[in-house]
Amino acid sequence: EIVMTQSPATLSVSPGERATLSCRASQSVSSNLAWYQQKVGQAPRLLIYGASTRATGIPARFSGSGSGTEFTLTISSLQSEDFAVYYCQQSENWPRTFGQGTKVEIK
Amino acid sequence: EVQVVESGGGLLQPGGSLRLSCAASGFTVSTTSMTWVRQAPGKGLECVSIIHSSYATYYADSVRGRFIISRDNSKNSIFLQMNSLRDEDTAVYYCARDYGGLLDYWGQGTLVTVSS
Repeated sequence: EIVMTQSPATLSVSPGERATLSCRASQSVSSNLAWYQQKVGQAPRLLIYGASTRATGIPARFSGSGSGTEFTLTISSLQSEDFAVYYCQQSENWPRTFGQGTKVEIK
Repeated sequence: EVQVVESGGGLLQPGGSLRLSCAASGFTVSTTSMTWVRQAPGKGLECVSIIHSSYATYYADSVRGRFIISRDNSKNSIFLQMNSLRDEDTAVYYCARDYGGLLDYWGQGTLVTVSS
């Protein structure tokens, strides 16, 4: 099983600032990496797939990068609606595994 | 409009059984893969099971031998039969369309609570 590790666990950011979230895979997942956003009481929402492609309707302030074992999600200028928990997920093989999540909170 | 709706959750005792349903609209479940993902209270996400268009199925180690995923094309639905339930199976169970590994459409989830 591929283990996904996210850092930091919590990120405190002021509105308008940039947020950088990291995700590391225990072995190469090529570009088979997705990011999801989850707000309290809601299902996760797909943000990024293929490591760097935004899903339909996702604002341009969200961007993803990386390949192999190291990945980054960047939110260029945080809006109030962006405060949530973010998960990375690999789809290189089964079982599909998620990171433990990064909570982005208001500073 | 694409929609996924789960149902069937509830409260039951350890050792019990439950069948979750996931009804899809706006796409055909037989032409794609569908995944069950669960989230224990205050915890992260875990893929529990997947069924491919070919009917091939896979399970997480934590549920293999206890859970069975299936599909009914006439109802455009998938199901998760959960047997020998344990306290640690307590979670919100989400159904999601698995488009080549991308979980692009999710339901709102159904809560399963296993407690004596």
